[in-house]
This record gives sequence, C-alpha cells and structure tokens, in this order.
Amino acid sequence: GAVVSQHPSRVICKSGTSVKIECRSLDFQATTMFWYRQFPKKSLMLMATSNEGSKATYEQGVEKDKFLINHASLTLSTLTVTSAHPEDSSFYICSAIPGSVDYGYTFGSGTRLTVV
Amino acid sequence: DAKTTQPNSMESNEEEPVHLPCNHSTISGTDYIHWYRQLPSQGPEYVIHGLTSNVNNRMASLAIAEDRKSSTLILHRATLRDAAVYYCIYSGAAGNKLTFGGGTRVLVKP
Repeated sequence: GAVVSQHPSRVICKSGTSVKIECRSLDFQATTMFWYRQFPKKSLMLMATSNEGSKATYEQGVEKDKFLINHASLTLSTLTVTSAHPEDSSFYICSAIPGSVDYGYTFGSGTRLTVV
Repeated sequence: DAKTTQPNSMESNEEEPVHLPCNHSTISGTDYIHWYRQLPSQGPEYVIHGLTSNVNNRMASLAIAEDRKSSTLILHRATLRDAAVYYCIYSGAAGNKLTFGGGTRVLVKP
C-alpha cells in the first residue's frame, strides 16, 4: 500500500535554532501534501497545504515565516520550524493523497519536536 | 470547515462489538466519509471509507445512513489493540483538506 515516510521521528533542539522535518511518499507521487500539528490530548490541526513547485497555502493563524514549507519534488515535502521556541514543541504529522482524494489519505508516523 | 460530531469517548469489553456514531449533517452528495484511527504517538491510520453503501473490510464495517447525514463505524470484536482515538472525516467544500474533529477515544477493557 501507499506509504508516507516521515523523519525524524523525534527531535530535541535548543531555543532559537531551526529544525527540518521531512515527509516522503515512497511508492507514489504526491503533488499535494499536508502538514498537521497536534498538542497532547488534542486533535490534529491543519497547518498548511504543500504544493509541488509552488508556494504552500497556510491556514489562518499559522505564521509563514515561522513554518517554512518546501515541496521541491513529487515525493518530498519539508517543514522547517525556524527560531524554535518551547511553545513550538508538538507532534507534527504529514499526509498525502495516493490517488483520488475520495479514496483516502496516507499519514506519516509523526515527528515529536521538543524545544528546550 | 467540514464538521463532524462524535462522542468524546466510549468503553467496550474485549471481544465485544463497538459501534461508533458520527454525525455529518453538512456533507454533500459527492463527499466520501472516511474513518481513521490514531494510536498514541503515531500518525492516523486508515480504517475505512464509503460513499453511500455500507462497506466492510478486515478492520471494520461502515454503516451509512440513507440520508448520509450520519454513519456508524463498527468494530465487530474489539481487542486491546483497538484502543485508539477514532476520527470520522469528510473533505467537504474545502476541497482536498481533511479537517479533524475531536474524535472518539475508545477504551477496551480486558
């Protein structure tokens, strides 16, 4: 089946540094990928839609300069958390559509970011 | 946003069926209903999806109301590994975006 690989699974960084999270579609091409953030005991919150070859579309309230998204190829999207602060600590999850949107999405395994 | 309404939590005994309801009164005629589940510290996992007819797969069954304003996910024999948060979703008028509601936390007692 369709697989989305997300790396790293866990990262700890210091305040003020930047962290890059990768999301790869392993056996299909994804022109669109989605990035979510999830706080403990809460639901997933959509942050942005990543579009191959063009700018990402951010949800209201999500800072574009804070969360940089690059979708340079049909199989890779990256999310960079810039100048990270402790409040950016969260579980970040990506997803992609293997075929028609009507047939569902595949999610990555998530990245636990801890900013100290 | 495509909104669904689910109970916050449900409990079940192991080996018993679990029926998880979902209301999606604003769904359009062409939107598929998706169910995903999420185990702790993992990404959501696909469970099942459907449009109008009831659907069965190895994980679960999906019963869709005739008016499509509600659906029920059925886990036929709950196991401890089925303990997770179950999300009912449809894409809605927002296009391809999946908007997650609160989901239902399923607790399975041995």
